[in-house]
Amino acid sequence: EPEVTQTPSHQVTQMGQEVILRCVPISNHLYFYWYRQILGQKVEFLVSFYNNEISEKSEIFDDQFSVERPDGSNFTLKIRSTKLEDSAMYFCASSEVPVGGYYEQYFGPGTRLTVT
Amino acid sequence: AQKITQTQPGMFVQEKEAVTLDCTYDTSDQSYGLFWYKQPSSGEMIFLIYQGSYDEQNATEGRYSLNFQKARKSANLVISASQLGDSAMYFCAMREGPYGNNRLAFGKGNQVVVIP
Repeated sequence: EPEVTQTPSHQVTQMGQEVILRCVPISNHLYFYWYRQILGQKVEFLVSFYNNEISEKSEIFDDQFSVERPDGSNFTLKIRSTKLEDSAMYFCASSEVPVGGYYEQYFGPGTRLTVT
Repeated sequence: AQKITQTQPGMFVQEKEAVTLDCTYDTSDQSYGLFWYKQPSSGEMIFLIYQGSYDEQNATEGRYSLNFQKARKSANLVISASQLGDSAMYFCAMREGPYGNNRLAFGKGNQVVVIP
């Protein structure tokens, strides 16, 4: 069964450093998403991406964040200058173009980002 | 304001018993979708079940069923015949508006522990 993959599974970085989290969505999916989950808290939406541009973003997704689809398979989240509060599990998800309002977002296994 | 409310404390359930997880939501949209995801201790997010706001019948997927009460704005998940592998966090989520708006808003989750 096709699945969303994410690399790395765990990233440790120092405050102020740039990180790039990578995702390979399911191949026939056209919508891509990033969510994050701070330890012990709920999952929060960051951004959605469709047709090579941001479809929607949350208030969390400020100028420190960017997303890119550098090629036909990868979808990346970049954090330019990490802060301690960026420590979280970051989930990538993808979905087909919704038809009739129903679609399922398939989540990857997550990348745990630890900022020290 | 909270879009999704999950307020139950951690629950212990006997193996083979049924368990109901409460979820209430807040929206003024007519078109929305409700999802349940399972998050085991390994961290991944696993889609369980979906209910559309216009669906007249309650959704069912194997041992999972969704008790959708639109007037009360509740979408409770029922897990029948609990298994040890059901021990996990369970998140209720909502997609609002027409299918052009794809963000999911998650609740804080319900912890379930299945005991033999």
